[in-house]
Formats: sequence, structure tokens, C-alpha cells
Amino acid sequence: QQQVKQSPQSLIVQKGGISIINCAYENTAFDYFPWYQQFPGKGPALLIAIRPDVSEKKEGRFTISFNKSAKQFSLHIMDSQPGDSATYFCAAIWAGSARQLTFGSGTQLTVLP
Amino acid sequence: EADIYQTPRYLVIGTGKKITLECSQTMGHDKMYWYQQDPGMELHLIHYSYGVNSTEKGDLSSESTVSRIRTEHFPLTLESARPSHTSQYLCASSPTTGNYGYTFGSGTRLTVV
Repeated sequence: QQQVKQSPQSLIVQKGGISIINCAYENTAFDYFPWYQQFPGKGPALLIAIRPDVSEKKEGRFTISFNKSAKQFSLHIMDSQPGDSATYFCAAIWAGSARQLTFGSGTQLTVLP
Repeated sequence: EADIYQTPRYLVIGTGKKITLECSQTMGHDKMYWYQQDPGMELHLIHYSYGVNSTEKGDLSSESTVSRIRTEHFPLTLESARPSHTSQYLCASSPTTGNYGYTFGSGTRLTVV
């Protein structure tokens, strides 16, 4: 019940295209949904986050869309750039887990020049 | 600047050796975590701590041990390294209140030969 399912496992997009990564969850007690970006040889870094009372959050080229009724959320990267090539993890926090993050399995994004 | 530091960044060690991976944070976070990750793959929680003298095992069984004697320091020890321990080890911390996002270190890439 604490799982977060992420898809696709890998994604290849042309420069300038839109990258879309999807996540789904079961536990309705999750109340904070961050996305992390990880470059090779580095630790994950917080990219953008959303709370379930908001349907969309945008920061620059990165947008989270949140569908509470469907228990799904997605990351959209507009005008994708080769520098966006990284592994992206969705995550969720449940108050009952002492606010411990549950991570998705990750998506390896490659943006072709 | 508040940050989280891991040393060493890379370690190649022989089978049977004892090793300690260091993790320190300067943000005063009560919660700290150790994750094991193969390149570009899922993050597996192996240990966590919610404060001094508090340590718990994570979802993934690990032969490593941890200690939390000081708030800022959360070292991970392998008493007898084996080739199966070859992986990347990531340390993270998070606050108890406010922004619940995790801050990750850059990781230690361990190779046991």
C-alpha cells in the first residue's frame, strides 16, 4: 500500500520535445509528492514538489500534474534539452511513516541533441 | 553553506576488509538515511535514524551497521566486505518539520574485489 509505481523505465526524447513521466500510488494518506533528478555519479536532488490540494505546479520548464481522484501524478519537461538527461524519481511521503519518502523505481531520460 | 558530505567518493577494497563510509550534514537535520543503489537503478533504503542513539533497519536487508552518536554524523560500517557489497551508497537527511524533502550526498561508490 506504500508503493509508488513509476513508468516508463526509460525514455528517449528529441531535443525540444516534451518528456512525460508518470507515477501512481495507492495510499491516500500520502500528502507530499516530490520529484528528484539524479545525474550520473551524483545523489538525487529535489527538482519540484506538489501537495495533493493543488492540481498543477510549474517551475520553469518542469510541471507536475496531479490527479487526486485517479491517484496519479506526472512530471512534464517542456522543451527538453540534452542537459536534462538524467534519472528521475517520483516519491511520496505518508504522515504515518514518520514522513519517510517512498520512491518510485526511476526513469532514465535521454534527450538526443 | 548547509550540505551533506560523504567520504570517500570512491573505494576499492579487498574481500574481508572492514570499511566505514562516512556521512556528515551541517543542516541540523534529525533524520538521516542510507540508501543502496546500483547505477541508474532503484533506491533501496538500508538504514535510517530519527535522532541520536536511534537507528533502524530499512526495507532492504543489509549486512552493514550504522551508528548515530552525534546529530550531524551517521557512519555506515561493513565488518567484512564481499563482492556482493559492490554498489553505490547514498546518505540523505531531512528535517522533522517544514520542508520534508530529503537532501542527498554525492554517494560513495564501493567496489569489493
